[in-house]
Amino acid sequence: GESVGLHLPTLSVQEGDNSIINCAYSNSASDYFIWYKQESGKGPQFIIDIRSNMDKRQGQRVTVLLNKTVKHLSLQIAATQPGDSAVYFCAENIAGNQFYFGTGTSLTVIP
Amino acid sequence: DSGVTQTPKHLITATGQRVTLRCSPRSGDLSVYWYQQSLDQGLQFLIQYYNGEERAKGNILERFSAQQFPDLHSELNLSSLELGDSALYFCASSVESVLAGVNEQFFGPGTRLTVL
Repeated sequence: GESVGLHLPTLSVQEGDNSIINCAYSNSASDYFIWYKQESGKGPQFIIDIRSNMDKRQGQRVTVLLNKTVKHLSLQIAATQPGDSAVYFCAENIAGNQFYFGTGTSLTVIP
Repeated sequence: DSGVTQTPKHLITATGQRVTLRCSPRSGDLSVYWYQQSLDQGLQFLIQYYNGEERAKGNILERFSAQQFPDLHSELNLSSLELGDSALYFCASSVESVLAGVNEQFFGPGTRLTVL
């Protein structure tokens, strides 16, 4: 029979624009979060992390914002490039135990 | 290149069979994690080992088992395979020292398992 794929949210942006990818996490006790990038045919790659005692953390062209009140995490990518096209997903962790991963958002950068 | 290696890259087998997937963590990493990524369920945590001992268990079926050897490489054994076990299986490693708390995980390239 026909296989049904995971229906990921999608985001298309023009090259050079900023991208914002959102993630709602499930457990208010989660104290550590990671954003991953997964390109087609490859394993997930760490982008940036943030601990629950922070609201914002910046990396190179990326910023993660954490809103614990509404259990929301966002990843901002500045000046999006074609190489940023991938699936992005967040992961939450509680006290060093297992990670729980979101289903991901597919980002397409239009040249 | 994350430094984590997985073999084989592809595996095709039949229902009812048993396979072993192998993972070598990054040099110095004591913790190994196994994940299953299927089309309909995204990335699911299976099991974690730290320095040879089981640390955490996720959604791992009883037909599946894993171990971490003294040299820190790990194997994931899948038995009585079913069509639904077809997926990408990823291994990840991290330093996970007590002082450093939760560490970034580095993922291998994955093993694509196809059960026919």
